[in-house]
Amino acid sequence: GENVEQHPSTLSVQEGDSAVIKCTYSDSASNYFPWYKQELGKRPQLIIDIRSNVGEKKDQRIAVTLNKTAKHFSLHITETQPEDSAVYFCAASGGNYQLIWGAGTKLIIKP
Amino acid sequence: GAVVSQHPSRVICKSGTSVKIECRSLDFQATTMFWYRQFPKQSLMLMATSNEGSKATYEQGVEKDKFLINHASLTLSTLTVTSAHPEDSSFYICSARDGSAEAFFGQGTRLTVV
Repeated sequence: GENVEQHPSTLSVQEGDSAVIKCTYSDSASNYFPWYKQELGKRPQLIIDIRSNVGEKKDQRIAVTLNKTAKHFSLHITETQPEDSAVYFCAASGGNYQLIWGAGTKLIIKP
Repeated sequence: GAVVSQHPSRVICKSGTSVKIECRSLDFQATTMFWYRQFPKQSLMLMATSNEGSKATYEQGVEKDKFLINHASLTLSTLTVTSAHPEDSSFYICSARDGSAEAFFGQGTRLTVV
């Protein structure tokens, strides 16, 4: 079945710098790749998503890139702010819309 | 976006009792809902897929007799943890789709079994 690997598990960056989180997936049939932000004890919140017919998508300080050939997709956060500190999850799904989750990345923004 | 409401948000129960968690889609119909379990500092683990009007599909290793799922209407799915034990203590969270690929999550339920 589908497997999603996410790296790094923890990322610490200086406020104002950029953060990049990477995921790889195994099922070439996957066609939907969302990124979620989860604060402690709260529900995951969708921050950006990308479909397999698009290579890059940007929303203000957040961008996602997808390389279908390599089965990689990445989350890019620029000009990081303290409120960006959270756990970020990538996921992948195919026709059944069942999300397969990465292990998560704890992002720490240092003041 | 669509709204999914989950109740209760927190519950403490005695070992051996059962707990029911409700997941409602408030402004859309959800033919499929998903139930997850999340341990501290870990990712979401899919427990089962709940289909309206039919039996839930459980992931490998999840006991269907212990985690009873009922999806009796297009807006409500329930998860009942039967004969709960301390090792069942966890964060349970549901999600539903509104017809698009995006998943909307409930607030989650923090279950503590004492």
